[in-house]
Amino acid sequence: QKEVEQDPGPLSVPEGAIVSLNCTYSNSAFQYFMWYRQYSRKGPELLMYTYSSGNKEDGRFTAQVDKSSKYISLFIRDSQPSDSATYLCACAYSGAGSYQLTFGKGTKLSVIP
Amino acid sequence: EAQVTQNPRYLITVTGKKLTVTCSQNMNHEYMSWYRQDPGLGLRQIYYSMNVEVTDKGDVPEGYKVSRKEKRNFPLILESPSPNQTSLYFCASSTRGDQPQHFGDGTRLSIL
Repeated sequence: QKEVEQDPGPLSVPEGAIVSLNCTYSNSAFQYFMWYRQYSRKGPELLMYTYSSGNKEDGRFTAQVDKSSKYISLFIRDSQPSDSATYLCACAYSGAGSYQLTFGKGTKLSVIP
Repeated sequence: EAQVTQNPRYLITVTGKKLTVTCSQNMNHEYMSWYRQDPGLGLRQIYYSMNVEVTDKGDVPEGYKVSRKEKRNFPLILESPSPNQTSLYFCASSTRGDQPQHFGDGTRLSIL
């Protein structure tokens, strides 16, 4: 079992829809959770960053972490064509002088005008 | 502007011809790493460096070398490239290995 699982999609939605992107993870030591957005021919850019369980909102984006279920989500409200990109989740922990950051494989999202 | 700069952005070369991809960051980050991204496989870490003169293998280090002589630079070296190293490569930096990474815009390598 991969440590971070993410449905690769592709996911296609109409403009204005609410988008839900999800990842599951297996390592209970993960304590930092991130979502990155990657446009074609560009590097991933950080979208959301949360520590431990809970919700975090930033404009149209909401990140949720449920550590009891080992499940993380990214919600995009009022989706726009400019949201069309690949979204990668990432989980991380630190301990005993070492770090681990593991990415999901990414979900490709298309928002259709 | 905070950035990670990779060069070249695109390179087509032949098997066995040594090449170096440069990476430089201007954020004074201690942690730097190299990833390759392949369809269906996602981002896989090649090597990382926790500080100057400290480097370690990631998940897919075979066929690659790195060095970290200065804090800002972290070049990736392919001493004898092979076609299976054809990929999209990203350099990234951060304050620590468990913190958000800042990525460069990628280097697309084609090894013929």
